[in-house]
Parts: sequence; C-alpha cells; structure tokens
Amino acid sequence: GDSVTQMEGPVTLSEEAFLTINCTYTATGYPSLFWYVQYPGEGLQLLLKATKADDKGSNKGFEATYRKETTSFHLEKGSVQVSDSAVYFCALRNNQFYFGTGTSLTVIP
Amino acid sequence: DTGVSQDPRHKITKRGQNVTFRCDPISEHNRLYWYRQTLGQGPEFLTYFQNEAQLEKSRLLSDRFSAERPKGSFSTLEIQRTEQGDSAMYLCASQPGGTNTEAFFGQGTRLTVV
Repeated sequence: GDSVTQMEGPVTLSEEAFLTINCTYTATGYPSLFWYVQYPGEGLQLLLKATKADDKGSNKGFEATYRKETTSFHLEKGSVQVSDSAVYFCALRNNQFYFGTGTSLTVIP
Repeated sequence: DTGVSQDPRHKITKRGQNVTFRCDPISEHNRLYWYRQTLGQGPEFLTYFQNEAQLEKSRLLSDRFSAERPKGSFSTLEIQRTEQGDSAMYLCASQPGGTNTEAFFGQGTRLTVV
C-alpha cells in the first residue's frame, strides 16, 4: 500500500544552519506530495506542495523537489530561524492523505 | 471563512462511555477527512467523505467507530464504548474539489479516556 517514510528526529540546529529532512514514499500512480508543519499548540498547516514529477514546492524559504526516480521529496532550508521550531510531516495524496511519522525540529539561538 | 472548526477541543470520558465529535469544514469543500494522531506519530487515516457519501473507511477502524456527514456539510464522529486505547487527538480536514489540492486541518479534539 501507499506509505511515507521520513527522517526520524528530533533534530536540533543552531540558528542559520542548513536544514534537510529526508522523505521517501511508496505509491501507485502519480500522487501529489506535501509538507505540513505543526507549531506547538497549533493544528497542521500546509507548508508546500508539488503535484507532479520535477515540480519544486517552496514557501517561507523552504523548498522540496518531487523526484520520481528516487521517490523522494526532501525538505530543505538554507538558513533556519528559531521560529522554524516545529514538527514537520511529509505526506502524499492518493485518494486519501498518507502521512509520515513527523520530524521534530528545534532551532537554538 | 474561518477555517475548519472542531468541537469540543478537549473531551475527558470514562471507559465504556460513548462520545461524539463534530467537524465543520470550510464551506463548499466537498471532501472531508477524519484522522487520529497519537503522541509522536503522524496522522492516521480513519475515513473520508465526498459530499454526504462515505467513500472509504480504514480497515483498522473498529466497529465502535462511526462517522456521518448528513447533507454534505458538517460531520460527526462517534466512538461507542470507549477504551483507553482510544485516547488520541482526532483531526478533521476538508479539501476542495480537484486532485491536486491540499487538505485544510482543524485544531483537533483531544480525547482522554480514563
């Protein structure tokens, strides 16, 4: 069945460090791919998405490229801020949404 | 448009009791999803609706769980004879038509079964 595997956390980085959170997927057909973010005490919010192979989603300095050949959708940011501290979920949509287990990020000043 | 609304935000119940949660999706969103999330895990699919039709239900979902979406607007999720293992955050999401659109999540209902 369809599934998402993402990098285990927690991840702790210093402010302005480079961030990569790995995400790979298994799916039939051509799913859309998403990164959602959950800030402390808040609900899930869409961070970015990509709907077909080689598409790049971007938002708030975060980027992820839909790589069909490696079935991956890794999240990157060149310079993280304290305000980026949150839990990040990779997801795919094939009828329903399938989520990874989440990666907790803490950015320290 | 105030987003997806869920009620109540928190519910504490005794084991064996029935509970019902409500979700009001964003207006004109025809898809509605229910997910369950436990600590340290990602959201786990429970069921979804296309308008008033329930199109898919997780095979892992106990018969104690039932969901409705009368008239294709708000939805309710009922858990009968609650067990301690039902303690979790129950998330509702809605999605407009179209295959490439994202889901919009509510804040969730946190259920604690004591």
